[in-house]
Amino acid sequence: DARVTQTPRHKVTEMGQEVTMRCQPILGHNTVFWYRQTMMQGLELLAYFRNRAPLDDSGMPKDRFSAEMPDATLATLKIQPSEPRDSAVYFCASGLGQRNEKLFFGSGTQLSVL
Amino acid sequence: AQSVTQLDSHVSVSEGTPVLLRCNYSSSYSPSLFWYVQHPNKGLQLLLKYTSAATLVKGINGFEAEFKKSETSFHLTKPSAHMSDAAEYFCVVSETDKLIFGTGTRLQVFP
Repeated sequence: DARVTQTPRHKVTEMGQEVTMRCQPILGHNTVFWYRQTMMQGLELLAYFRNRAPLDDSGMPKDRFSAEMPDATLATLKIQPSEPRDSAVYFCASGLGQRNEKLFFGSGTQLSVL
Repeated sequence: AQSVTQLDSHVSVSEGTPVLLRCNYSSSYSPSLFWYVQHPNKGLQLLLKYTSAATLVKGINGFEAEFKKSETSFHLTKPSAHMSDAAEYFCVVSETDKLIFGTGTRLQVFP
């Protein structure tokens, strides 16, 4: 079965360290989303790409977060420097079509910043 | 601007009884509406979607939802709950290609 793959599944790091999360979208999908899930805020859209071009990253703190798609098979979300408030589950999702009528989600990266 | 409100943060039902998870949306245009389910420690899975075709939408695992424009609602229902339905359910609205998630409803199913 085609699936979205996220690595790592779990990451524990210390405050101030750089964190890189990776996502392999489903082959042929042309949109990629990054969401952050916390108990307090629920699911927040951080950024999304269409055909590798960033369309909206207004949900992302620009001073420390960056999202890129170096090629069609890889999306990255980087936090530098990380802070304890960044602790959350980060989900990547990929989709196809103008209105993304079906998104496929990865299993998430559980990030803990101590 | 588009938004979605899930009216209940928690719903508890007994196995075999009906399920109703409520969702109201706000949208300037003709929205697409979705329900996603998230089981513990898992990613999200699409249950069903409404995209301006039939107003009663059938999804996986016996779930269905009805789009009511006059009430701006898209409630999720299932006639008979199963223990495996226990999960978090998200109502989602989309006008363009950006999906906006509700805050979620946690469904508990008691034996």
